[in-house]
Amino acid sequence: TQLLEQSPQFLSIQEGENLTVYCNSSSVFSSLQWYRQEPGEGPVLLVTVVTGGEVKKLKRLTFQFGDARKDSSLHITAAQPGDTGLYLCAGESLQGGSEKLVFGKGTKLTVNP
Amino acid sequence: DADVTQTPRNRITKTGKRIMLECSQTKGHDRMYWYRQDPGLGLRLIYYSFDVKDINKGEISDGYSVSRQAQAKFSLSLESAIPNQTALYFCATSGGPGGGNQPQHFGDGTRLSIL
Repeated sequence: TQLLEQSPQFLSIQEGENLTVYCNSSSVFSSLQWYRQEPGEGPVLLVTVVTGGEVKKLKRLTFQFGDARKDSSLHITAAQPGDTGLYLCAGESLQGGSEKLVFGKGTKLTVNP
Repeated sequence: DADVTQTPRNRITKTGKRIMLECSQTKGHDRMYWYRQDPGLGLRLIYYSFDVKDINKGEISDGYSVSRQAQAKFSLSLESAIPNQTALYFCATSGGPGGGNQPQHFGDGTRLSIL
């Protein structure tokens, strides 16, 4: 079974601080997706990284896929209260020829004004 | 209107009852998924379907069954509910011909409580 270890599980910071969320595995994934979930709603895709070493930026969010495609990170610069939410990484598995997502357990981020 | 609609949004029921959660989508996607979300455990896959004639067990299928009535509809049943099935349930869809790297589109969830 492929596993994705996501850390930290909880993060509470002040507005303006920087933070990094990590997603690690011993398995190789064909792609890594990052989702954000707000209370009462389903997860919404932020970004997909596909190529080893790939870096993608979405405003103040920077996503990186490890060279070996086993790990990924999400860095937020100058966090704002609107960034509060649950961040989930998900690796796309190609085991058995079926594309499925394996989710990390999530990082609950709280940004205090 | 939401692209992925789950009904009901909330349900409280008793141990031993049969429950059906429904999901419908207007995205025209072939692939549909059912997940449950528990605090600290993330999203775990229950069942998935890549087309109307295809049903596959996920990581935690015991105690659950599904039916893919049409491309747009995928329902999840708990034949005899038990308290440890209390959770937030999500339906998701994904599309794209054959290839991977497709994002999943989630409904807003069904909060199920079993007493």
